[in-house]
Amino acid sequence: DADVTQTPRNRITKTGKRIMLECSQTKGHDRMYWYRQDPGLGLRLIYYSFDVKDINKGEISDGYSVSRQAQAKFSLSLESAIPNQTALYFCATSRVGQPQHFGDGTRLSIL
Amino acid sequence: AQSVTQLDSHVSVSEGTPVLLRCNYSSSYSPSLFWYVQHPNKGLQLLLKYTSAATLVKGINGFEAEFKKSETSFHLTKPSAHMSDAAEYFCVVSDFTRGRRALTFGSGTRLQVQP
Repeated sequence: DADVTQTPRNRITKTGKRIMLECSQTKGHDRMYWYRQDPGLGLRLIYYSFDVKDINKGEISDGYSVSRQAQAKFSLSLESAIPNQTALYFCATSRVGQPQHFGDGTRLSIL
Repeated sequence: AQSVTQLDSHVSVSEGTPVLLRCNYSSSYSPSLFWYVQHPNKGLQLLLKYTSAATLVKGINGFEAEFKKSETSFHLTKPSAHMSDAAEYFCVVSDFTRGRRALTFGSGTRLQVQP
């Protein structure tokens, strides 16, 4: 089983819909992150959480929200999806001072 | 502010020949540096990391990278490419931003390995 699990793996939806992407981990890490990947841009940080009560905006948080339901779960929501949010989304986890471990990604297409 | 520049968006090599993927960075402090690999439909996997110990860092699958502070570079090399090395590679710098450590990703280098 994967240490960092993202669901769904693929999603196609329409403009204006509310979308939730979920991430769960079995690594026992306290830190969790959401990134989006666009061709030629690398990964950009959307939100990060250092523990259940500590949630912070990343460099591109507009249009997104997150919820840290438990140490092992961190979900990303798009309240009203728009086409330029079409991207590959990654969840990652880490311990303090250690490299991040990534899930396999969610490919999101907004029509 | 920190930044990462991967100097080549695409690199093509023949199987059995050396691989060189170039990365330059800028950082206000002593950074940590990483190389990650991404295979199709997969997440990023850590290849190696530099955290101010030895400047030559060995990673998985025969890859290594050398930290050169004077050149602000952290190039990734492998003596002999294998077909399974075909993937996208990301150079990443970790530094302090607004009092917290944050990662900055390069834009990626796609490695093709020809038979």
